[in-house]
Amino acid sequence: EPEVTQTPSHQVTQMGQEVILRCVPISNHLYFYWYRQILGQKVEFLVSFYNNEISEKSEIFDDQFSVERPDGSNFTLKIRSTKLEDSAMYFCASRRLAGGADTQYFGPGTRLTVL
Amino acid sequence: AQSVTQLDSQVPVFEEAPVELRCNYSSSVSVYLFWYVQYPNQGLQLLLKYLSGSTLVKGINGFEAEFNKSQTSFHLRKPSVHISDTAEYFCAVSEKAAGNKLTFGGGTRVLVKP
Repeated sequence: EPEVTQTPSHQVTQMGQEVILRCVPISNHLYFYWYRQILGQKVEFLVSFYNNEISEKSEIFDDQFSVERPDGSNFTLKIRSTKLEDSAMYFCASRRLAGGADTQYFGPGTRLTVL
Repeated sequence: AQSVTQLDSQVPVFEEAPVELRCNYSSSVSVYLFWYVQYPNQGLQLLLKYLSGSTLVKGINGFEAEFNKSQTSFHLRKPSVHISDTAEYFCAVSEKAAGNKLTFGGGTRVLVKP
């Protein structure tokens, strides 16, 4: 069964460093998402991406964040200058169809630790 | 804007006993409703979803949920749990019109004891 994959599973970085989290969505999916979950808190929406552009972003997704689909298979989340409060589990998700009725499929997550 | 509240952060339950996980939502527009499960060290997996029609929805692994519009609730139930049901369960909504992002509740950790 096709699945969303994410690499790395765990990333440790120093404050101020840039990180890139990678996701490979399901191959025929057209809509892509990033969510994050700070330890002990809710899963929060960061950004959605369709047709090579951001379709919606949350207040969390400020200028330090960017997303890209560089090669038609990968979907990346870049944090330019990490802060301690960026430490969280980051989930990538994808879905095939337009509309909220279609299921979003999630990857296993990347745990980001900022020291 | 929507919000989702899961009233129980942890639910211990004995094997073969029933379990109910509570979820209430708030939204000014019509929404779709979802339950996801997260097993240890894995991603979020869809258990079931309510789109329209019958208010009782059946999902995978013997779970079902009932949509109650007047109480804005979408509680999840299983009549008899197994050890393998130990996991965290998330209730989520998405707007019908916008049809995009999911808004999640805080999650309920279910611990099934032998």
